Amino acid sequence: AQSVTQLDSQVPVFEEAPVELRCNYSSSVSVYLFWYVQYPNQGLQLLLKYLSGSTLVKGINGFEAEFNKSQTSFHLRKPSVHISDTAEYFCAVTWGGGGADGLTFGKGTHLIIQP
Amino acid sequence: DTGVSQNPRHKITKRGQNVTFRCDPISEHNRLYWYRQTLGQGPEFLTYFQNEAQLEKSRLLSDRFSAERPKGSFSTLEIQRTEQGDSAMYLCASSLVSASSYNEQFFGPGTRLTVL
Repeated sequence: AQSVTQLDSQVPVFEEAPVELRCNYSSSVSVYLFWYVQYPNQGLQLLLKYLSGSTLVKGINGFEAEFNKSQTSFHLRKPSVHISDTAEYFCAVTWGGGGADGLTFGKGTHLIIQP
Repeated sequence: DTGVSQNPRHKITKRGQNVTFRCDPISEHNRLYWYRQTLGQGPEFLTYFQNEAQLEKSRLLSDRFSAERPKGSFSTLEIQRTEQGDSAMYLCASSLVSASSYNEQFFGPGTRLTVL
């Protein structure tokens, strides 16, 4: 079965430091990739997506991610984090329908920003 | 507010009872998705509709679960004979999809189900 792996369940980072949240998936055939953020007691919000084209994708709130087909990875990065970035981050993948089919999510990474 | 709405936001029920949740998507969106999220896990896909047609169902959607989107607008998810393992957050999402374009899935706030 196709799967998404987020190796880090929690990532503590000091404020203004850079951060990378890792995501790996099981197959690179016709893959469409997403990162969502979930703030406490709120719904999921899309940070960025890769459907095709440039492998470096920029999203909202200063986040970016790079699609690496050979390593089947889609890691999320931010050069300088803020307290407001504290949230749960989910990597999601779909392997068909031009990106419009149901998503397979990773288990999430809790980003903890320390002052 | 023109986002995805879900009702109720919270539901507590006793084991064996039936429950029904409602999702109202963004008005022009033609696709509607249901997901389930348990504590400490990412959302798991359950099913989706293209207009009123249910196009895909996950193996997670047991016979006790049924979803409808009768007029291609709002959708309902019913769970019959609830079990404690059904306790979760049920998320709805919608998107506008055509043959030539893709738009993101917009998620609602979810309905939290607790089965006692």
